[in-house]
Amino acid sequence: TQLLEQSPQFLSIQEGENLTVYCNSSSVFSSLQWYRQEPGEGPVLLVTVVTGGEVKKLKRLTFQFGDARKDSSLHITAAQPGDTGLYLCAGNYASGSARQLTFGSGTQLTVLP
Amino acid sequence: NAGVTQTPKFQVLKTGQSMTLQCAQDMNHEYMSWYRQDPGMGLRLIHYSVGAGITDQGEVPNGYNVSRSTTEDFPLRLLSAAPSQTSVYFCASSSTGGWYNEQFFGPGTRLTVL
Repeated sequence: TQLLEQSPQFLSIQEGENLTVYCNSSSVFSSLQWYRQEPGEGPVLLVTVVTGGEVKKLKRLTFQFGDARKDSSLHITAAQPGDTGLYLCAGNYASGSARQLTFGSGTQLTVLP
Repeated sequence: NAGVTQTPKFQVLKTGQSMTLQCAQDMNHEYMSWYRQDPGMGLRLIHYSVGAGITDQGEVPNGYNVSRSTTEDFPLRLLSAAPSQTSVYFCASSSTGGWYNEQFFGPGTRLTVL
């Protein structure tokens, strides 16, 4: 079983602060996705990265895929209470089935007003 | 479009009881899957299907059965519930199972087994 480690597990910050969430594996990803999940709902896709070194921006969110395609990060600038939620990374491994996503354990983010 | 729908929203079972979690999608997606979500463990794949009549096992298939008779529906059956199956269950669909494809998740079923 491939493992995807996310850190930190919990993060509580004040509105306006910046933060970074990390997703790491010892194996190479074919692609990696970031999802956000709110209480009582299913995860919703934020972004998919597929190329080593790739950087994608979604408003105040910046996603980076590591050069070796073993890690990824999510950076939020000037966090707002609406960013509160569970952030999950999910990867397709280069040696595995393209039909099976492996999810990380998630980072629970709370942004205080 | 309703997207992915799941019923029931909540369910309490006694050990040994059986039940079926329903999942339906109206996006004509070929690929559907079931996950369970436990605290601190993210989502783990139970079973998946790449089209009507085709299913396969994921990471944690024991104790669960699936079938796919239509493109729209993908029910998950618990034959004899155990406390270890207490979890939140999510159904998801995507247009194909490829690396790039967005998975659309249902709202989840929260199951408690006593």
